[in-house]
Amino acid sequence: ELKVEQNPLFLSMQEGKNYTIYCNYSTTSDRLYWYRQDPGKSLESLFVLLSNGAVKQEGRLMASLDTKARLSTLHITAAVHDLSATYFCAVDRLDYGGATNKLIFGTGTLLAVQP
Amino acid sequence: DGGITQSPKYLFRKEGQNVTLSCEQNLNHDAMYWYRQDPGQGLRLIYYSQIVNDFQKGDIAEGYSVSREKKESFPLTVTSAQKNPTAFYLCASSIDRGAGGPEETQYFGPGTRLLVL
Repeated sequence: ELKVEQNPLFLSMQEGKNYTIYCNYSTTSDRLYWYRQDPGKSLESLFVLLSNGAVKQEGRLMASLDTKARLSTLHITAAVHDLSATYFCAVDRLDYGGATNKLIFGTGTLLAVQP
Repeated sequence: DGGITQSPKYLFRKEGQNVTLSCEQNLNHDAMYWYRQDPGQGLRLIYYSQIVNDFQKGDIAEGYSVSREKKESFPLTVTSAQKNPTAFYLCASSIDRGAGGPEETQYFGPGTRLLVL
């Protein structure tokens, strides 16, 4: 059974600092997604990582995927208050036909960036 | 503007009552999904559909039912058999698997918050 764990669950950081959120998963997959959720709102897609070694960057966020270690990271550079949100990783459950689009979500990391 | 709409934004259910949540998309996506989110937790898959007139159970389908009569619409009914329905319900859609690329992500609607009276 595929399980997805994120850590930390809560992250309070100061503006201008760097930090990394980790996403570990328990069975083979090479498709991983990062989403952002603002309080009371829906999910917004941030990154799609579709192969081992994939790295994507957008602004102060960079995501990477290591399928051998079953690990994805979301790195935050020089955090600003606008990045405060909950960040979720989600992993595609593969079957013999490949991707299924049936995602297992992590529990989320609540990021609070303090001025 | 292409997107996903969900209605209502808030829904109140009385005990023993069935309620239906609406989800419509105009993105021309083949696949649609329903998720449930409980406070402080991630999303869990209730049902999904990859094509019209076909759908499959997700991880927590008990107490829920769906239909997919049109490509654009994927309504979710929360039945009286669902004993703990209070949650935030999110509908999503995507192109079908295999195309690859950023467009293969799931796009989410604004959600419906269901509360039990």
